[in-house]
Amino acid sequence: ETGVTQSPTHLIKTRGQQVTLRCSSQSGHNTVSWYQQALGQGPQFIFQYYREEENGRGNFPPRFSGLQFPNYSSELNVNALELDDSALYLCASSPRERTAGELFFGEGSRLTVL
Amino acid sequence: AQKVTQAQTEISVVEKEDVTLDCVYETRDTTYYLFWYKQPPSGELVFLIRRNSFDEQNEISGRYSWNFQKSTSSFNFTITASQVVDSAVYFCALSDSGGSNYKLTFGKGTLLTVNP
Repeated sequence: ETGVTQSPTHLIKTRGQQVTLRCSSQSGHNTVSWYQQALGQGPQFIFQYYREEENGRGNFPPRFSGLQFPNYSSELNVNALELDDSALYLCASSPRERTAGELFFGEGSRLTVL
Repeated sequence: AQKVTQAQTEISVVEKEDVTLDCVYETRDTTYYLFWYKQPPSGELVFLIRRNSFDEQNEISGRYSWNFQKSTSSFNFTITASQVVDSAVYFCALSDSGGSNYKLTFGKGTLLTVNP
């Protein structure tokens, strides 16, 4: 069983640029969630996708957007990058039918904004 | 609004010591779930346990045990006979039972260092 994989693992961008992060969910998992983890903090919920539609969103501005594809993989897009967007971005997948909260996380994409 | 507080930022112990990680939560929901996740240096969070708000039975899994007390809104995690491999950041988290079942509210985490 392949776990959750994310790419790229590390990237550096400058303010104002745009970034796309990718996530392949674990086999059989149809729900994908994205979390932002700033240094020394706990992860914060950005949004989740189910059946290719956004299904729940945290307190993040519209420049954070996402997609889910028919194979359940997902992308997180961030436009007009700001310095505070520097963080570890974690993708988590789960089968929708499973009881709440048992998420399977990838190792994350570490974004540095200069 | 939901909130999770992990007052211990860092804990350092010597191998074989017992250690308890504290977690206090706030929620207005009557039905909710509590979790513990482990984050090793590689970055991915690893699910350890889930409890629902109606089940206050304490749970033991090997060297791990959890104490859920609704009266004090606490869900503490104890590692017995700690090992170097237990070194990681541990997060307590909370979710409601409604439509946003996958939205977890995390605490800031406790960095546990187990020294040989």
